Amino acid sequence: GEDVEQSLFLSVREGDSSVINCTYTDSSSTYLYWYKQEPGAGLQLLTYIFSNMDMKQDQRLTVLLNKKDKHLSLRIADTQTGDSAIYFCAETPSGSARQLTFGSGTQLTVLP
Amino acid sequence: DAGITQSPRHKVTETGTPVTLRCHQTENHRYMYWYRQDPGHGLRLIHYSYGVKDTDKGEVSDGYSVSRSKTEDFLLTLESATSSQTSVYFCAISDGTGYEQYFGPGTRLTVT
Repeated sequence: GEDVEQSLFLSVREGDSSVINCTYTDSSSTYLYWYKQEPGAGLQLLTYIFSNMDMKQDQRLTVLLNKKDKHLSLRIADTQTGDSAIYFCAETPSGSARQLTFGSGTQLTVLP
Repeated sequence: DAGITQSPRHKVTETGTPVTLRCHQTENHRYMYWYRQDPGHGLRLIHYSYGVKDTDKGEVSDGYSVSRSKTEDFLLTLESATSSQTSVYFCAISDGTGYEQYFGPGTRLTVT
């Protein structure tokens, strides 16, 4: 079945850039997503990218997609303490009634 | 924020008892989903609905049933709760395109 993998932890200094990586196995993935979860809260959709794109930028967020290597990354520029959270990568294959398959999440800690 | 509420927000129950969790939306969205979140597993899809009375199974559906008699409500029932169903349960909704899913605040269920 589909599999999405992420590293578990990432620590960065405030003001630096953060890069969170994700790999997936399903070559039919149509959309790939990044969600953010703060403690005790639900998931917030940050951004998503269609599989025929290789980059998407939205303010401080840049998503890069390497479809050949099935690798997705999320870059957060000028990381702030409010960015500390768990970040989930997710994908949905075509024709799947939009079922999402999630990675295990990356805990981002921003140090002052 | 998408208009999604979940009730109850916290519940403690005993093994073998039935439990029903409710998801309510005010967005008139077509798709509704139930996920569970467990450490090391990210979120996994339990069941989803693509319209009133139209539901289907997800990755981890054993021990769960769902019902959707109205567009705005999606119920998740544990017929006989087990300790392995201790988890945080999230509801999500999506419009007709299905590509953006918005999550509720979650229900923390503990089965003792």
